[in-house]
Amino acid sequence: ELKVEQNPLFLSMQEGKNYTIYCNYSTTSDRLYWYRQDPGKSLESLFVLLSNGAVKQEGRLMASLDTKARLSTLHITAAVHDLSATYFCAAIVETSGSRLTFGEGTQLTVNP
Amino acid sequence: EPEVTQTPSHQVTQMGQEVILRCVPISNHLYFYWYRQILGQKVEFLVSFYNNEISEKSEIFDDQFSVERPDGSNFTLKIRSTKLEDSAMYFCASSVEGIAQYFGPGTRLTVT
Repeated sequence: ELKVEQNPLFLSMQEGKNYTIYCNYSTTSDRLYWYRQDPGKSLESLFVLLSNGAVKQEGRLMASLDTKARLSTLHITAAVHDLSATYFCAAIVETSGSRLTFGEGTQLTVNP
Repeated sequence: EPEVTQTPSHQVTQMGQEVILRCVPISNHLYFYWYRQILGQKVEFLVSFYNNEISEKSEIFDDQFSVERPDGSNFTLKIRSTKLEDSAMYFCASSVEGIAQYFGPGTRLTVT
């Protein structure tokens, strides 16, 4: 059974600082996803990582995937308050269908 | 930009009542999903639907749950006899190719 774990679960950081959120998964996964969720809102797709070594960047966020280590990271560069949200990673094992298995989420607060 | 829409945004029902949650997926998408998120917890997969049939379901999706695509645009989740523990945010998602899944705004279901 695929398990996805994120850490940290809570992250409070100052504006302008850098930080990394980690996402480990337990079995071979075909794809890794990152989503953002604002309080009471839906899940916004940030990145889909398809292969080992994949790196994608959008603004101050950069996601990478190491399939050998079963690890994905979401790196935040020079954080700003608008990045405050909960970030979820999710993985898929295609032989088990197309269900996304989510991590617990990382609640990020960026303080001025 | 096309979006997944869901109605109602909030549904309050009494225990034992039937509820139907409605979703309109993005129009050219072929894969449809329901997920739920109990308050403060991670997102959990319920069911996936492709080619007018269920392609996968989780342990949560028991006989009390059913899905239907009654016409070319709507995708519904029915809970026959709601329980207190069914209270959650229910998200519909759709995908054109089964890779990127786009989530709707959610329906908050409150069972009293």
